[in-house]
Amino acid sequence: AQTVTQSQPEMSVQEAETVTLSCTYDTSENNYYLFWYKQPPSRQMILVIRQEAYKQQNATENRFSVNFQKAAKSFSLKISDSQLGDTAMYFCASQVPLVLNAGNMLTFGGGTRLMVKP
Amino acid sequence: EAQVTQNPRYLITVTGKKLTVTCSQNMNHEYMSWYRQDPGLGLRQIYYSMNVEVTDKGDVPEGYKVSRKEKRNFPLILESPSPNQTSLYFCASSFLVGLANGELFFGEGSRLTVL
Repeated sequence: AQTVTQSQPEMSVQEAETVTLSCTYDTSENNYYLFWYKQPPSRQMILVIRQEAYKQQNATENRFSVNFQKAAKSFSLKISDSQLGDTAMYFCASQVPLVLNAGNMLTFGGGTRLMVKP
Repeated sequence: EAQVTQNPRYLITVTGKKLTVTCSQNMNHEYMSWYRQDPGLGLRQIYYSMNVEVTDKGDVPEGYKVSRKEKRNFPLILESPSPNQTSLYFCASSFLVGLANGELFFGEGSRLTVL
């Protein structure tokens, strides 16, 4: 079974600054996927970034980047140049490949509510 | 526009009154799933379907039913809702790409309150 833990229920950052959201996970599999999803007040779940465990290079998407530490089972999200539109709930999630995961299930952390202040 | 559509978006009901939350996707995805979101718990999978007429339980299936009679539709049925089913519900769909996992597309969520 997989577990995902987000230890920061709430965070805040000043506009234009950088913030890092923490995520740790536990899995017995060697191959898996990790995700960060953003949920703004509209409630829509938006995929921010995806990392494949067999890739050593950290994924980046514009202002969003991850620090993937496989041995430590850590997957933090860094948001650079924070914008007011980044205010949202952020969820970390893990998923093992379909062959090991009949339900194609994502395992989510409890979420971190991020507030970007002007 | 590619999308997953859920209805209703908001619903207040009373204990024991059967209700159905509909989900429809227009991307020809084989896979569809329902999650519920609760504070501090993130999203948890209720049921999933790998294709038409193929459904199975997720992590928290108690009190729910689903059906998959058509590829595009995957309704969530609460036969006798109880207050502990008050939650935010998400439908999601994706392609099944061999051993890889297709990207999940989520609906906009349905906020259900059971009094």
